[in-house]
Amino acid sequence: DAGITQSPRHKVTETGTPVTLRCHQTENHRYMYWYRQDPGHGLRLIHYSYGVKDTDKGEVSDGYSVSRSKTEDFLLTLESATSSQTSVYFCAIRTGRNIQYFGAGTRLSVL
Amino acid sequence: GQQLNQSPQSMFIQEGEDVSMNCTSSSIFNTWLWYKQDPGEGPVLLIALYKAGELTSNGRLTAQFGITRKDSFLNISASIPSDVGIYFCAGRYGGSQGNLIFGKGTKLSVKP
Repeated sequence: DAGITQSPRHKVTETGTPVTLRCHQTENHRYMYWYRQDPGHGLRLIHYSYGVKDTDKGEVSDGYSVSRSKTEDFLLTLESATSSQTSVYFCAIRTGRNIQYFGAGTRLSVL
Repeated sequence: GQQLNQSPQSMFIQEGEDVSMNCTSSSIFNTWLWYKQDPGEGPVLLIALYKAGELTSNGRLTAQFGITRKDSFLNISASIPSDVGIYFCAGRYGGSQGNLIFGKGTKLSVKP
């Protein structure tokens, strides 16, 4: 599992509330990613990080922010959750050969 | 933006059958990856390809990096029930800072 832990695994929240998802890695990889997965869309990149405090936007970054204050943790925050953000969220790390390994996912429902 | 076209979207398999799927793009890629995802889990890497024309196997799975660098193929020989799941291709193109583009997946189900 490449030492990736996502928490929580499941969350139900209400529209307008803030939500933070956490990704923790144990192997000191520089690059970390957040994706969302929706039926008919596959995996889409939200934000990624290439080092502590170094982050950049992906394809679907609107409504999301990220932070990386330590190598091992990459946080994804929905400042004010909307129903369109109901999805399964995956964190990934990248190894030296440009291979990405994924966590088990967080299933988020925004009611 | 970059897009990958993965086909077929879904297919039914009978145990013992061979399965083929592919991904194509209008852009040139320098890495192709194939993943499998089981329900409720994250994608798991099956095969990584780094050079045009490269053919790599992982057990009953064989994948190829197309000569034009715009496509890749995955074959599963003698399918078994545990092959059921969703298969994704992913490609990395130059200038993408190593970011991947994913196909929308091929869903493999057992023939009723």
